[in-house]
Amino acid sequence: GNSVTQMEGPVTLSEEAFLTINCTYTATGYPSLFWYVQYPGEGLQLLLKATKADDKGSNKGFEATYRKETTSFHLEKGSVQVSDSAVYFCASGGGADGLTFGKGTHLIIQP
Amino acid sequence: DAGVIQSPRHEVTEMGQEVTLRCKPISGHNSLFWYRQTMMRGLELLIYFNNNVPIDDSGMPEDRFSAKMPNASFSTLKIQPSEPRDSAVYFCASSFVRGDEQFFGPGTRLTVL
Repeated sequence: GNSVTQMEGPVTLSEEAFLTINCTYTATGYPSLFWYVQYPGEGLQLLLKATKADDKGSNKGFEATYRKETTSFHLEKGSVQVSDSAVYFCASGGGADGLTFGKGTHLIIQP
Repeated sequence: DAGVIQSPRHEVTEMGQEVTLRCKPISGHNSLFWYRQTMMRGLELLIYFNNNVPIDDSGMPEDRFSAKMPNASFSTLKIQPSEPRDSAVYFCASSFVRGDEQFFGPGTRLTVL
């Protein structure tokens, strides 16, 4: 079946640092790929998505590019803020079973 | 649209009691999902419906858990009897089609004493 692997956390960075959270997937075919963010006490919110190879999803300064050759969808941001502290989930979709989520990466940004 | 609506937002109950969680999906969405989130296990898919029909309930932990979707705008997740290990945040999500973006509700935080 499908699976999503993302880097273990917590990831701790200083404000204005560069962020990368790795995500790789296994799936049959070419699934849509998603990044969700969960702020404390809230549900998951879609951050960005990409539906086909080489597509770049972007939102709020975050970007991720659908890389078919490496089956990856790494999340990046050039300069993080304290308000970016949250848990980030990578997910793959497009199949009959809904979305397959990674385990989540807890990001902590220190002032 | 108001988004996915869940009630109650918080529930505290005693072991052995019946608990019913409720969800109203986004209008027009055909798929509905129930998840459970804990620190130990992370986010787990319990069951999902497509066009009000349960498709896969393999994630339901045991027979004490049951879910229904009597119509396109309402679903329930019931735990009877509840146990302390059921304490978690339960999320409902809906999507227009199964493999597409899911919209999550705010969750119900369940505490079983």
